[in-house]
Amino acid sequence: QKEVEQNSGPLSVPEGAIASLNCTYSDRGSQSFFWYRQYSGKSPELIMFIYSNGDKEDGRFTAQLNKASQYVSLLIRDSQPSDSATYLCAVKDTGRRALTFGSGTRLQVQP
Amino acid sequence: GAVVSQHPSRVICKSGTSVKIECRSLDFQATTMFWYRQFPKKSLMLMATSNEGSKATYEQGVEKDKFLINHASLTLSTLTVTSAHPEDSSFYICSTSDGRAWDTQYFGPGTRLTVL
Repeated sequence: QKEVEQNSGPLSVPEGAIASLNCTYSDRGSQSFFWYRQYSGKSPELIMFIYSNGDKEDGRFTAQLNKASQYVSLLIRDSQPSDSATYLCAVKDTGRRALTFGSGTRLQVQP
Repeated sequence: GAVVSQHPSRVICKSGTSVKIECRSLDFQATTMFWYRQFPKKSLMLMATSNEGSKATYEQGVEKDKFLINHASLTLSTLTVTSAHPEDSSFYICSTSDGRAWDTQYFGPGTRLTVL
């Protein structure tokens, strides 16, 4: 069974710090990886996607992918209280368009 | 990214009734839509893949006769929860992709179903 693993948290960081969120996946053939943010009671919203090994930056967010280690991470620089949410890692399954989601990491940014 | 709407946003019903949830792709024609379910403090679980003009593909363990999916047009997919029971209470979310940018999926706002 294909799995996506995340630490459930909560991960607590002070305002202005860097938050580091991690995700591992079991399907070695997976090609694309997504980070979504989900506020309580709301649906997920896309932060960014990555498909090549290395880093991808978008504003305060940086996604990192290491396919050899089957590991993907999300760094949030200059964390703000508004970043407090659950962050979902999602992996596109090999051979189909559906996503497999991790259980999410709850991030708390302390003012 | 794609814009997706869902209706209703919240529904409360009595046990045994059926509830229809609509998912609309507002800015492009979606041949494929996805239906997910999320229980409190749990992650999203794919229920089925909705294909325009053909039968939906259900995930293992999802009852196709209980969760009826219809994708009659390129902008609308519906999920009907038949004979709903309290254990069907959940957050139902649809998503779609415009096929670009590595087939990134965009989610509707979700429907909160409470079965009394």
